[in-house]
Amino acid sequence: KAGVTQTPRYLIKTRGQQVTLSCSPISGHRSVSWYQQTPGQGLQFLFEYFSETQRNKGNFPGRFSGRQFSNSRSEMNVSTLELGDSALYLCASSLGGYLYNEQFFGPGTRLTVL
Amino acid sequence: GIQVEQSPPDLILQEGANSTLRCNFSDSVNNLQWFHQNPWGQLINLFYIPSGTKQNGRLSATTVATERYSLLYISSSQTTDSGVYFCAVLSSVYSGGGADGLTFGKGTHLIIQP
Repeated sequence: KAGVTQTPRYLIKTRGQQVTLSCSPISGHRSVSWYQQTPGQGLQFLFEYFSETQRNKGNFPGRFSGRQFSNSRSEMNVSTLELGDSALYLCASSLGGYLYNEQFFGPGTRLTVL
Repeated sequence: GIQVEQSPPDLILQEGANSTLRCNFSDSVNNLQWFHQNPWGQLINLFYIPSGTKQNGRLSATTVATERYSLLYISSSQTTDSGVYFCAVLSSVYSGGGADGLTFGKGTHLIIQP
């Protein structure tokens, strides 16, 4: 079974631009979560989508948004990029249940904001 | 929200040595996972272990949920074990505004010297 895939793997943008990242979950998984990893803040939860609905959200500004499609693929968008948005963005998929919800991560998208 | 503390933050060992990594968490959990982050940033699943003991080759893990800690054991270390090991938990406490996704510790940076 194919793992979680993320595209693109690397991105370079300038301040003020916007960016869209894509994540395809493991087949059969309905939950997709997004995380940001920076050297200073570590790994932080952004949001989670389940069956096309945002179910949970972390403590990030509204510039960070996402969506999920009917095939469970997800995108996240960051508008008006700031230097501090430079990070590794990781996507994780899971079955989405509360009793068993092991998460599997993709390889990440490394975003650099200049 | 739930707090996760990992110790030690850094660990340098000779090849062949054994090690124990600890993860303390501040509240009851539905999910506890151990990950190894490879040099390219991908999080590799090691264990899904909200309670009990599991073993996989040279690695084993134990979670004592009632005492709110988990241990990851690595025996007969190899240079390929080097990297950062993360513990991540999902609180079982519903916050009303939605759960926070996985909360990660700051990791243990393990270096295995030949």
